[in-house]
Amino acid sequence: DAKTTQPPSMDCAEGRAANLPCNHSTISGNEYVYWYRQIHSQGPQYIIHGLKNNETNEMASLIITEDRKSSTLILPHATLRDTAVYYCTGTTGTYKYIFGTGTRLKVLA
Amino acid sequence: DVKVTQSSRYLVKRTGEKVFLECVQDMDHENMFWYRQDPGLGLRLIYFSYDVKMKEKGDIPEGYSVSREKKERFSLILESASTNQTSMYLCASSSGQVNTEAFFGQGTRLTVV
Repeated sequence: DAKTTQPPSMDCAEGRAANLPCNHSTISGNEYVYWYRQIHSQGPQYIIHGLKNNETNEMASLIITEDRKSSTLILPHATLRDTAVYYCTGTTGTYKYIFGTGTRLKVLA
Repeated sequence: DVKVTQSSRYLVKRTGEKVFLECVQDMDHENMFWYRQDPGLGLRLIYFSYDVKMKEKGDIPEGYSVSREKKERFSLILESASTNQTSMYLCASSSGQVNTEAFFGQGTRLTVV
């Protein structure tokens, strides 16, 4: 199972790009990397996922290194509403999602 | 929209009580999960079910059991609640396909006194 490591906290100025790193050096070749975020008192919400290629959707971009040992979630223009805890996770062969402790992102006005 | 509904947002129970946390999903998902969330520890998987009546232990199953009699419903059972089970409990579901995400409920904050 992939174990993930993330910095415990980060700050970002409003309007700037927020780059959140994740180390998943034990990820296997067929495991996807997923990102979720959790706003206070709510359940985690899916953001984006990828396998090998970089991905982009309306919420964020995901950059996965060529060796797949790490990834970066990019919020291109952070707003105050992006203040949340961000989790990266992998899935196992039986499709369990294994979460770590996440990164608490604070967007500053 | 996919909906994962947990029966209670807040629950207070006494030590030694048998506690049932209910979770229902409306998307015909194969997989359902129960996580526990504590400050500084992130989300930890308690149990996972990949089909009706099928279950698999997660990282912290001790003190818990689960039941999945119908595809849409996954129950977490605390046989004899203890104060160290005071926590936020999160239910999730997914389709079981390799390239799909999990959907979470709003969570149940359980306090055992």
